[in-house]
Amino acid sequence: GAVVSQHPSWVICKSGTSVKIECRSLDFQATTMFWYRQFPKQSLMLMATSNEGSKATYEQGVEKDKFLINHASLTLSTLTVTSAHPEDSSFYICSARDPAVLAGSTDTQYFGPGTRLTVL
Amino acid sequence: QKEVEQNSGPLSVPEGAIASLNCTYSDRGSQSFFWYRQYSGKSPELIMSIYSNGDKEDGRFTAQLNKASQYVSLLIRDSQPSDSATYLCAVTVNDMRFGAGTRLTVKP
Repeated sequence: GAVVSQHPSWVICKSGTSVKIECRSLDFQATTMFWYRQFPKQSLMLMATSNEGSKATYEQGVEKDKFLINHASLTLSTLTVTSAHPEDSSFYICSARDPAVLAGSTDTQYFGPGTRLTVL
Repeated sequence: QKEVEQNSGPLSVPEGAIASLNCTYSDRGSQSFFWYRQYSGKSPELIMSIYSNGDKEDGRFTAQLNKASQYVSLLIRDSQPSDSATYLCAVTVNDMRFGAGTRLTVKP
């Protein structure tokens, strides 16, 4: 399957600082990428859909001014957690659709390895 | 009602047995159905996708879809301890929605 990378794999920061997480599609061009958050023992919650060249679409309850998403190229989307607080500590996972995958499986998403954020 | 519902488990089966994982979804417009496996501390890994009613087999895994009953299942034959993980059911309408996952333990 397609390969998606994330960087960093983990980060520890102080409360009030900002953290940037990168998501890259390595062997395909992803016009759409997704950002999820997963708290311990809970399922993935979609935060936002990142569209190349346009504004991200945020899910209800997700603060767009706090979670800044930039999809500047077909292979890179970034999520910046601004003024992070301990309650933002979570596992952040991105995924991407491979548009080259043919009919019947166009919705398949490939996940990055995730970024574990700990805010002290 | 949750969009995608799964029994959280834990489901425990002995090695070599068949593990059966179930999922129901609420939106009749759902088009695509997926099973992901997630090991603790790792991101989800795609196991199976299914788009039409019936069974789809891939190695030891069989996905079953019944759109009339809004039900999708995953069977794992000859379960191995390495299959111990959380299995996430995902359903797509406009975007992908996940169930809470079923934790499977395969005991040697």
